[in-house]
This record gives sequence, structure tokens and C-alpha cells, in this order.
Amino acid sequence: QKEVEQDPGPLSVPEGAIVSLNCTYSNSAFQYFMWYRQYSRKGPELLMYTYSSGNKEDGRFTAQVDKSSKYISLFIRDSQPSDSATYLCAMSGGSNYKLTFGKGTLLTVNP
Amino acid sequence: AAGVIQSPRHLIKEKRETATLKCYPIPRHDTVYWYQQGPGQDPQFLISFYEKMQSDKGSIPDRFSAQQFSDYHSELNMSSLELGDSALYFCASSLGSFRYNEQFFGPGTRLTVL
Repeated sequence: QKEVEQDPGPLSVPEGAIVSLNCTYSNSAFQYFMWYRQYSRKGPELLMYTYSSGNKEDGRFTAQVDKSSKYISLFIRDSQPSDSATYLCAMSGGSNYKLTFGKGTLLTVNP
Repeated sequence: AAGVIQSPRHLIKEKRETATLKCYPIPRHDTVYWYQQGPGQDPQFLISFYEKMQSDKGSIPDRFSAQQFSDYHSELNMSSLELGDSALYFCASSLGSFRYNEQFFGPGTRLTVL
């Protein structure tokens, strides 16, 4: 079993929809939770970072972490075609800060 | 703002050849991470360096080696290449290794082994 599980999709939504992306994890040592966006053939770009449990909002993006359930979410409001990309959850913790990624969810927002 | 630079961007090699990938971190960043992303896969951590010393090692084959130089750039050396080494190799840099700091990713080097 992978340490981080993420439904790879693909997920297709109409423009303006609310998108919900989720990951579950098994390693209790994870304390830092990130969401990266990756366009095709590009490097991952950090969207949101959350430490421990809680919510964080940045514009149209909201990240939620529930450590008791080992479950994290990313919500995208008023989705735009430019949001079409692969969204990767990533986590780190313990004595180093290497990232453990989920498989990524391919999102397409249709105009 | 300056970003992480990786070279070359694309590399084609034959089986059993060697390859060297280079990473130039963001200025003043002292930590470098290498990740391998196979087709349709999530990035897998290979190795990291902090202040020119190896700080952690992941699923890096013995055929691979890496180092960080005095100017903080890093090189990933890959020998006896196999077909399965074909992947996108990312370098990320951050400031400091002993607390969380955002890892900034480079554009990646796409290695194709024929």
C-alpha cells in the first residue's frame, strides 16, 4: 500500500464548477501537506501549503487537512479552463523534508 | 525571479550508456532534492543534499550517484542506463533542510533510454 493515495481521475467539469480533490495517507509522521499543480511536461508548482490540521484559503483555492482521519482536500471555486492540469498532493514530516506525492489527479475544466 | 535551472532539458541515450543531469538551485538556496517521475507516475524521491552533504536517500539505484558542489549546484550521474530509467527527472531547491521550507521545482530533464 502506498503511503499516499490519490484518485488519478480523470476529472472533467464545466467552467465555474466547484472542484474537490482528495488524498488519504497512512504515515502519522506527516506534518506538512502541500498541493502542487503540474502542467504537461512542466515541473510541479506549489499551490497551497498547510501545517498540521486545519483550513487555509488563498483566492479560489481552499486546502483542508484532517489529521485524525488522515485525509486532505483541495477545493477550487469558480473553476477556469486555465485550471486544467494535474493536481498532486504531497506530504512531508519526520526528520527530513523530502516530499511523498500522490499519483496526481488530471483535471479538465471545459469552457 | 530566478528559478531552478536544469540541464539538459532533453536527453536521449542508449542502454548501458551514462548520463549526467545538472541542477542549479535558486540563488541562496542550500538544499537540493532529486525526484524521478516515470510516465503516468507520481514523482519519487531519489536523494537530497544540504550544504554539500547528502541529507537523505530514497529509492535511488546503486547505478546512480549524485553530489552537490561548492556553488550549490548538483549533478546526478547515471550509469549502465536501462530502459526503465526513462523518466522525467526533477530537481527542487529550498532554503534549509531542518525545517519545512517550500521546495521550488525546476522544469525537469526528460531522459529517454533506447
